[in-house]
Amino acid sequence: DIVMTQSPLSLPVTPGESASISCRSSQSLLYSNGNTYLDWYLQKPGQSPQLLIYLASNRASGVPDRFSGSGSGTDFTLKISRVEAEDVGVYYCMQALQTPITFGQGTRLEIK
Amino acid sequence: QVQLVESGGGVVQPGTSLRLSCAASGFTFNTYGVQWVRQAPGKGLEWVAFISFQGSNQYYADSVKGRFSISRDDSKNTLYLQMNSLRAEDTAVYYCAKLRHSYDSSGFTIDYWGQGSPVTVSS
Repeated sequence: DIVMTQSPLSLPVTPGESASISCRSSQSLLYSNGNTYLDWYLQKPGQSPQLLIYLASNRASGVPDRFSGSGSGTDFTLKISRVEAEDVGVYYCMQALQTPITFGQGTRLEIK
Repeated sequence: QVQLVESGGGVVQPGTSLRLSCAASGFTFNTYGVQWVRQAPGKGLEWVAFISFQGSNQYYADSVKGRFSISRDDSKNTLYLQMNSLRAEDTAVYYCAKLRHSYDSSGFTIDYWGQGSPVTVSS
């Protein structure tokens, strides 16, 4: 199984500042078709998760451009520029390459 | 718009069975793979099972293999999860989730999630 490791697990951020979350996979998420199967999801309080970033760096429909994903192989980063109050929640990375699909532990973003 | 509505959750005793349903609308259900993901109280997300479009392939997490069965009825646009021999550790909110890519395209990215159906296994 592919193990996903996120850091930090807790992230207090001042509104207007930027924030970064790291995700590392135990094996490469690059597939033979050239795609890298790493997704980012946000679960806001009391809600279902929502897709933010797919294939490591593609923003999902309706996601503000303050959110960006980068990385390759086994090391990935989600960056949120100009954090807003509505960005609070738990961020998960997920490897979408193979079953069993696995998630990182989650990073809880809170506003200072 | 895409909607996934789960039902069938509840409180059951250990060793018993439960069947969850997920009614899908707003997209061509029979062309997409779908899956179940669960979340234990206060915990992270755990993938449970996947079924491909047309139902030809099913995959399961080791924690539920042999006890849970995923199926679909494309005539009713509905996904199911039959859960047998339930254990306390199966207590969770169960989410139905749709894959972003249709047909057998590679990858398991989820673009829509249901609101979740809570299951509690307790004596």
